[in-house]
Amino acid sequence: EAQVTQNPRYLITVTGKKLTVTCSQNMNHEYMSWYRQDPGLGLRQIYYSMNVEVTDKGDVPEGYKVSRKEKRNFPLILESPSPNQTSLYFCASAGQGFYEQYFGPGTRLTVT
Amino acid sequence: AQTVTQSQPEMSVQEAETVTLSCTYDTSESDYYLFWYKQPPSRQMILVIRQEAYKQQNATENRFSVNFQKAAKSFSLKISDSQLGDAAMYFCACDAGGTSYGKLTFGQGTILTVHP
Repeated sequence: EAQVTQNPRYLITVTGKKLTVTCSQNMNHEYMSWYRQDPGLGLRQIYYSMNVEVTDKGDVPEGYKVSRKEKRNFPLILESPSPNQTSLYFCASAGQGFYEQYFGPGTRLTVT
Repeated sequence: AQTVTQSQPEMSVQEAETVTLSCTYDTSESDYYLFWYKQPPSRQMILVIRQEAYKQQNATENRFSVNFQKAAKSFSLKISDSQLGDAAMYFCACDAGGTSYGKLTFGQGTILTVHP
């Protein structure tokens, strides 16, 4: 089944404790992206990647890191999480022509 | 920088009737793409419809159609014969294309309630 997977789905952590949210797709897509969703703000793009070893900042990259060493994986790293990073996070991927982004199921992150 | 604005935080419609969700955008690029996504309570993001800016014809997908007004930078979604399963949050989004290809901006979302 073609899909984007994210892990973990739910995470509660404390300020300053480094964490990684994994994202993997099995559709051989070149493009991958991370978003955060907050009430009243919609989804905001954090980082995106057009291909392996190519990443670009979205609208809200501060406090986040990404890497794209393999085509299928695009992990999101929070080196020192803060409470304002409490949010719902989505990973997405798209193939040639960028017709449709396929979204993962979301990761609910709470930073206390 | 591009912006996308959805001015209707909430909308409601009776089952079988028609509803229109509004979206305006702003981008400096000439070659861009517009999308409507649906997010039901399951939180899954589902593509509803896509429009390329260079196409004058409005996109249509079954009961869903758009009214794309390029000069006015308006991209509204019309849902005909509304069904209970249409109840969800709807997001309008813009990919600026060109040198900003892949940089996607979403609106704030509109919650659609469908009354039986």
